[in-house]
This record gives sequence, C-alpha cells and structure tokens, in this order.
Amino acid sequence: GAVVSQHPSWVICKSGTSVKIECRSLDFQATTMFWYRQFPKQSLMLMATSNEGSKATYEQGVEKDKFLINHASLTLSTLTVTSAHPEDSSFYICSARVLQGANLISPLHFGNGTRLTVT
Amino acid sequence: ILNVEQSPQSLHVQEGDSTNFTCSFPSSNFYALHWYRWETAKSPEALFVMTLNGDEKKKGRISATLNTKEGYSYLYIKGSQPEDSATYLCAFDNFNKFYFGSGTKLNVKP
Repeated sequence: GAVVSQHPSWVICKSGTSVKIECRSLDFQATTMFWYRQFPKQSLMLMATSNEGSKATYEQGVEKDKFLINHASLTLSTLTVTSAHPEDSSFYICSARVLQGANLISPLHFGNGTRLTVT
Repeated sequence: ILNVEQSPQSLHVQEGDSTNFTCSFPSSNFYALHWYRWETAKSPEALFVMTLNGDEKKKGRISATLNTKEGYSYLYIKGSQPEDSATYLCAFDNFNKFYFGSGTKLNVKP
C-alpha cells in the first residue's frame, strides 16, 4: 500500500517553455504532499509543501511564481515549472505521508522522481 | 536550514562484509529520525522511523540505533548482499518538515 505515482519520469524542454509534473497518491488520500529538488551530489531539498484545497507553503529562496503548485484533490498535486531555464534542470521528486489517526510520525512515500533537462 | 550530515559519502564492500554508516543531526528540538533506502531507478523506500533516545530497530539484516542527546544515528548492515547496493538516506523530521542528508552510496561486490 501507500503508492505514489509521479509523471513524467523524464522530460526535455526548451528554454522559456513550461513543464507540468504530476504526483498522485494511488491508494490513500494525501492532504499534504511535499516537493523536493535534488542537484547532483546534493541532498533532497524541500521546495514546498502542498496542501489540498489551499495555497502551498514555499521554502525560503523558492520562487512561488516560477514553481506553481496545485493540490486540487486529495490524490493529486502538480508542480509546474514556468518559463524554464537551463538552471532549472534538476531532479524533482514528490512525497506524501499517510496520517495514522493522531500519530503523525509515519514515513514519507515517494514518487519515482522526474529528471528535467532544459535546453 | 537544519544541517544533517551523513558519512561516508560512499562505501564499497565485498559480499558478506558487515558495514555501518552514520547520520548526524541537531540534538535540540528532536522529533523523529527516518532512514530510507534508495535504489537506482526506484523511489526511496522507508526503512525505519525512530523517535526515542536509545531506540534500536531491526529489519532482517539491517538495524539502526538512535542517540538523540548527542545527535547521531547509525545504520548497520550485517552480511551485505549485492541487493543491498543502494543509497541510504537519513532525514531529520522536524514535525512534518524533513531535512535530508546527502546519503551514503553503498556498493556491494559479489
């Protein structure tokens, strides 16, 4: 159980175009999803926390107008990289937590990630 | 930004060797510490969630210990197998906000 599906796995786009990445929880409802970015040889860095039905919470230094997050349902969150530039080339990965009653100490369940290359 | 460090960055062992690696994290305001295994082309998979000082968890040949007072956790693999080859991530859980280490990449040679 607790499967997270992320699409696409990889995408190549031209500079100036926008790219949408989808993250779906297949067998559970995720009121909160997390979007991470990883540059080569670095750790996963939290970009934003996506909350169903409300605005996402962005980490310091992450441009909310560039990285648009929509969490319209309990099973789907999307990240749109707008007007992509080569420096946006990175590995993006989403995750969600299955909340177990009052116990919030549950692990994250991750998608497979998306490798974005902007040319 | 909280600093979570893992060492070593990479490790090469022979099949059958036992190995261990370290995760260091802030010792103040501790909530939970997570370990994940990340195989190539797959998604990270949860191994352990640890919350109590002195906690020790085990799953097959893999075990982990936790010292919240000094801010470290060890992950042990007994009798490494080629299928254990992966990157092992630890994450400091600051109440629904995770700070990841860079991972330890383990390569087990048959």
